[in-house]
Amino acid sequence: NAGVTQTPKFRILKIGQSMTLQCTQDMNHNYMYWYRQDPGMGLKLIYYSVGAGITDKGEVPNGYNVSRSTTEDFPLRLELAAPSQTSVYFCASIQAGGNYEQYFGPGTRLTVT
Amino acid sequence: AQSVTQPDIHITVSEGASLELRCNYSYGATPYLFWYVQSPGQGLQLLLKYFSGDTLVQGIKGFEAEFKRSQSSFNLRKPSVHWSDAAEYFCAVGAVRSQGNLIFGKGTKLSVKP
Repeated sequence: NAGVTQTPKFRILKIGQSMTLQCTQDMNHNYMYWYRQDPGMGLKLIYYSVGAGITDKGEVPNGYNVSRSTTEDFPLRLELAAPSQTSVYFCASIQAGGNYEQYFGPGTRLTVT
Repeated sequence: AQSVTQPDIHITVSEGASLELRCNYSYGATPYLFWYVQSPGQGLQLLLKYFSGDTLVQGIKGFEAEFKRSQSSFNLRKPSVHWSDAAEYFCAVGAVRSQGNLIFGKGTKLSVKP
């Protein structure tokens, strides 16, 4: 099992560009999450999904979109990148009905200039 | 409002000394609690978790934590710190009906002096 994988590891975007952060898990987990981590601020939930075709907003969804067409994949889309979106992004997953331990990917470090 | 407070932003301890990292939570439902560790440039790794039962839980790398409902606390402890424990530590709280969503504290950075 690879667990939760994220690509790319690093990316630099110009203001106004768009990109998709990829997240894939091979554990057949129902629930998946996107967080952003800013220095001294902990992790903030952007979006989450409880299964294919179902997504919902977290605490800081503005400027982002998600989709969940398969159990394995949960991409995060930035449409018009802004400097405020400079952050480290983590994807996580859990098996619903299990012990609710979130398994995290290695993260994507994004810089918007 | 639901929240997690880690009062210490940065702690420095000597290698071999004991460690306690504090975590206080405010949560309406019966909580389940986690401690995660993050090494520089890495993702988060679960150290330990509490769901129910024994309020003293053991985790990996020699860590333990004690759930105190009356104090709304879940402090992390280690009797003897190793240099490799230098990292950032996050406390998180959730509930069974929260769709797995966790609320994270802002983290405590641990430095270890030789």
